[in-house]
Amino acid sequence: VVTQSPDFLAVSLGERTTINCRSSQSVFYKSNKKNYLAWYQQKPGQPPRLLIYWASIRESGVPDRFSGSGSGTDFTLTISTLQAEDVAVYYCQQYYDSPPTFGQGTKVQL
Amino acid sequence: QVQLEQSGPGLVKSSETLSLTCGVSGDSIRSYWWSWIRQPPGKGLEWIGFIYHDGNTKYNPSLRGRVTFSIDTSTHRFFLVLRSVSAADTALYYCVRGGEFDAFNIWGQGTMVTVSS
Repeated sequence: VVTQSPDFLAVSLGERTTINCRSSQSVFYKSNKKNYLAWYQQKPGQPPRLLIYWASIRESGVPDRFSGSGSGTDFTLTISTLQAEDVAVYYCQQYYDSPPTFGQGTKVQL
Repeated sequence: QVQLEQSGPGLVKSSETLSLTCGVSGDSIRSYWWSWIRQPPGKGLEWIGFIYHDGNTKYNPSLRGRVTFSIDTSTHRFFLVLRSVSAADTALYYCVRGGEFDAFNIWGQGTMVTVSS
């Protein structure tokens, strides 16, 4: 089970935004030293967009104001300075265990 | 640039069968695993399962017995069939690139499927 907090976040433009994700079991695979955790952004009427994979690797084309951190069971997505276009729902996903599962989502609004 | 193009009906009657198609362009369908994910209105994301080009499949246990995937490498398409649908299957269905141990970096545009009584 993957649980996000908070469910809703009201932020001002330019502010730092932090979303948390906790997995009920470790998603760290010792053999390759990778955390099987991804972050997605979903805007209304659009499919989710992959932002971060392996917990901290930014997908190509994703602005560097987005960063991921954490290991084991606790992870964080940080938006360093919120822009208007960052208003969206954010999901974390574990892909360590099958079936892959998503958090319930965090809605970020101004 | 890889693109996924979805097609299929948006309305299915209760107890009948839902069928969706996903076309792959810009990359070889043989190079990756391909999954289906759904999202009920206003809710989160649920992985349905994956298929590989050799026909190997794995399904989410929550849907086992009702869902079947298939693939046609000659036409670069893969397919979802969900039988005995109910209102609980009303959702936005996405085809995506990736399997059970992947992050999903390419998504189709989504198909909203409503199950009517």
